[in-house]
Amino acid sequence: QKEVEQDPGPLSVPEGAIVSLNCTYSNSAFQYFMWYRQYSRKGPELLMYTYSSGNKEDGRFTAQVDKSSKYISLFIRDSQPSDSATYLCAFPDAGGTSYGKLTFGQGTILTVHP
Amino acid sequence: EAQVTQNPRYLITVTGKKLTVTCSQNMNHEYMSWYRQDPGLGLRQIYYSMNVEVTDKGDVPEGYKVSRKEKRNFPLILESPSPNQTSLYFCASSSGMEYIQYFGAGTRLSVL
Repeated sequence: QKEVEQDPGPLSVPEGAIVSLNCTYSNSAFQYFMWYRQYSRKGPELLMYTYSSGNKEDGRFTAQVDKSSKYISLFIRDSQPSDSATYLCAFPDAGGTSYGKLTFGQGTILTVHP
Repeated sequence: EAQVTQNPRYLITVTGKKLTVTCSQNMNHEYMSWYRQDPGLGLRQIYYSMNVEVTDKGDVPEGYKVSRKEKRNFPLILESPSPNQTSLYFCASSSGMEYIQYFGAGTRLSVL
């Protein structure tokens, strides 16, 4: 079983749609949960970062964490063409010899068409 | 401007010809890392460094070398590149007190 599973898509939605991106993980030691966004021909950049279970909002983006189910989601409201990118969930290793290492999901390619 | 700079951005080479991809950061970060990104496999860590002269293997270190002689630089060395090392490579850095990693723009490598 992979440590992190993310639906690779691709996902194509009309402008204004609500988008749901999801990852499951198996490592109970993961305590921090991140979403990175990667535009074409660019490096990933941090979009959202959360520690606890529950929801965290930032504008049109909501990160949701369910530690008991080992499941995280990113919701995008009122999606825009500028949201077209690859979205990667990421889990930092908070201790031990792999301190700071990020384990990434495979990435979901999202296209929002006008 | 805070940034991670990789060079070159694009590189085509032939099997067996040694190459170096440079990475430099201007944020005084202790932690630096190299990843490769392949379709369907996501980003996988090659090597990382927690400080000067401290490096360790990531998940896919075979065929790669790194060095960390200065805090700001973390070059990736392919002594004898092979076609299976054709990939998109990213360098990243972070401070020791947080887990957020800042990525360079990437180096697309093709080994013929």
